Amino acid sequence: DGGITQSPKYLFRKEGQNVTLSCEQNLNHDAMYWYRQDPGQGLRLIYYSQIVNDFQKGDIAEGYSVSREKKESFPLTVTSAQKNPTAFYLCASSTPRGVNQPQHFGDGTRLSIL
Amino acid sequence: KNEVEQSPQNLTAQEGEFITINCSYSVGISALHWLQQHPGGGIVSLFMLSSGKKKHGRLIATINIQEKHSSLHITASHPRDSAVYICAATRNNDMRFGAGTRLTVKP
Repeated sequence: DGGITQSPKYLFRKEGQNVTLSCEQNLNHDAMYWYRQDPGQGLRLIYYSQIVNDFQKGDIAEGYSVSREKKESFPLTVTSAQKNPTAFYLCASSTPRGVNQPQHFGDGTRLSIL
Repeated sequence: KNEVEQSPQNLTAQEGEFITINCSYSVGISALHWLQQHPGGGIVSLFMLSSGKKKHGRLIATINIQEKHSSLHITASHPRDSAVYICAATRNNDMRFGAGTRLTVKP
């Protein structure tokens, strides 16, 4: 079945460590997104990519990095510069980023600090 | 003030009750989305609408563009409807999310 796969489901980070969250989609979607979800808050956009080898910062990009070398994959690295990384991270995709395109979401990765 | 506000934050209902969740937004939008987040965290899209009303099974979504307000209704609620319901507004290629309404339906 087509969909978005995020891994791992749970991830723990030590101080000073970079960690990478995986996001893969087989929906043939051009656009992909990373969101962060904190308790009591709406999802916030970290990065998005509209096409391979291109990506743009969202509202809260500091301390994060991404790459888009393949259409199917959009990994997110949480760097040591992100001082408050504990959150639930969701990846999404859609057909070309347009104003009326529904997004398809993965099941998320929960990141915690050791 | 958030651009997208939802109410209530939490809602508990008895099985069979009619549920209404409200969403207000502060700026003009292109489309309004209703999403459902399961206890495990995954999100599915329920509705995308820019005017009027849409229905899918026991779920109904309405939008009033002039009043900048949308509602999600659930008829004959069931414990399996327990989830977080999220409203999101799309404007200028940006999607802004409400904080969600946590619905618990008791048998």
